[in-house]
Amino acid sequence: DSGVTQTPKHLITATGQRVTLRCSPRSGDLSVYWYQQSLDQGLQFLIQYYNGEERAKGNILERFSAQQFPDLHSELNLSSLELGDSALYFCASSVGSGYTFGSGTRLTVV
Amino acid sequence: AQSVTQPDIHITVSEGASLELRCNYSYGATPYLFWYVQSPGQGLQLLLKYFSGDTLVQGIKGFEAEFKRSQSSFNLRKPSVHWSDAAEYFCAVGAGTASKLTFGTGTRLQVTL
Repeated sequence: DSGVTQTPKHLITATGQRVTLRCSPRSGDLSVYWYQQSLDQGLQFLIQYYNGEERAKGNILERFSAQQFPDLHSELNLSSLELGDSALYFCASSVGSGYTFGSGTRLTVV
Repeated sequence: AQSVTQPDIHITVSEGASLELRCNYSYGATPYLFWYVQSPGQGLQLLLKYFSGDTLVQGIKGFEAEFKRSQSSFNLRKPSVHWSDAAEYFCAVGAGTASKLTFGTGTRLQVTL
């Protein structure tokens, strides 16, 4: 157990739908990062939050959004889903010495 | 912009043989370098990291990596591979301990018995 908890582990949904992925960072970690892993794009950085504020943004689509709550958990919202959004979505957290990844949410859009 | 190149997509080694996975990075300042391993259907596990200091870094599971600034490389090594090491290995670079990571495309390691 890495200490970073992601739910759900698997999600199957239809095109056009909206889903929410949840991440609870390790205790004490203030930064949360979201990554997307797909066969064609590899591991891509989506967005980073630090203590509730957006810190950095990567290759995140406008249909995607995220937030970090006062208890430091984060949610990634994916809307108007397309087949190409099928991927493994990872959350990571860090403070100081490095990053710890969660086990990911596998999203399948059908 | 930072980038990582892992030139080997797939490597096959025999159990007990030595292993070296290559990683070249591009970054304008002193990089923070990482190696992660991912087993099928699993998350990313940190093998080792380099921030500063000794350029030979020891990690978990008997892995080590050497930072060579002149070659912009951070190759991962293991003297004797075990069948359980079969997985995908990712090299990553970051600007610091609280910044995003840029990953390479990964090297899939197959171990033959």
